[in-house]
Amino acid sequence: TQLLEQSPQFLSIQEGENLTVYCNSSSVFSSLQWYRQEPGEGPVLLVTVVTGGEVKKLKRLTFQFGDARKDSSLHITAAQPGDTGLYLCAGEAGGTSYGKLTFGQGTILTVHP
Amino acid sequence: ETGVTQTPRHLVMGMTNKKSLKCEQHLGHNAMYWYKQSAKKPLELMFVYNFKEQTENNSVPSRFSPECPNSSHLFLHLHTLQPEDSALYLCASSQVSRAGNTIYFGEGSWLTVV
Repeated sequence: TQLLEQSPQFLSIQEGENLTVYCNSSSVFSSLQWYRQEPGEGPVLLVTVVTGGEVKKLKRLTFQFGDARKDSSLHITAAQPGDTGLYLCAGEAGGTSYGKLTFGQGTILTVHP
Repeated sequence: ETGVTQTPRHLVMGMTNKKSLKCEQHLGHNAMYWYKQSAKKPLELMFVYNFKEQTENNSVPSRFSPECPNSSHLFLHLHTLQPEDSALYLCASSQVSRAGNTIYFGEGSWLTVV
């Protein structure tokens, strides 16, 4: 069974601070996705990374896929209250496991004005 | 609006009731999923349908019964549920291919079993 360890579980910061969320596994993933979920809603896809070492930027969010495709990070620069939410990473194993995502436990981010 | 619509958004049912959750995707995808999200636990995959065929049943109790009549619609039939089944049930869809598989979620159905 593949596991994704996401850290930290909780993050409470002030507006303007930077933060990084980590997603680690001992397994290799063919792709890794990051989602943001607000209370009472479903997860919304932020980005998919598929190539080892890949870096993708989405405004103030920077996503990196590890060279070995076992880990990923999400870095937010100058966090805003609107960034508050649950951040989830999810990895797809590929091979015969197409479509089967393994999710991390999630990081609950609170950005205070 | 993600293109995946779930109804109802909220459902309260007794342990002897029978109810169904409905999901419809407007994205032309070939795979649909049911996930369960409980407090303090990672998202759990329940069922996968690929081209209308069930390809995954993740050891889900038989009181949950999925139905996929076509590639755009997915149901989750519920009967004799337990209070611990109370959770957010998420439907999702994707276009599965060797190039990758990005999953799009619906807004979820909040289920409370009393």
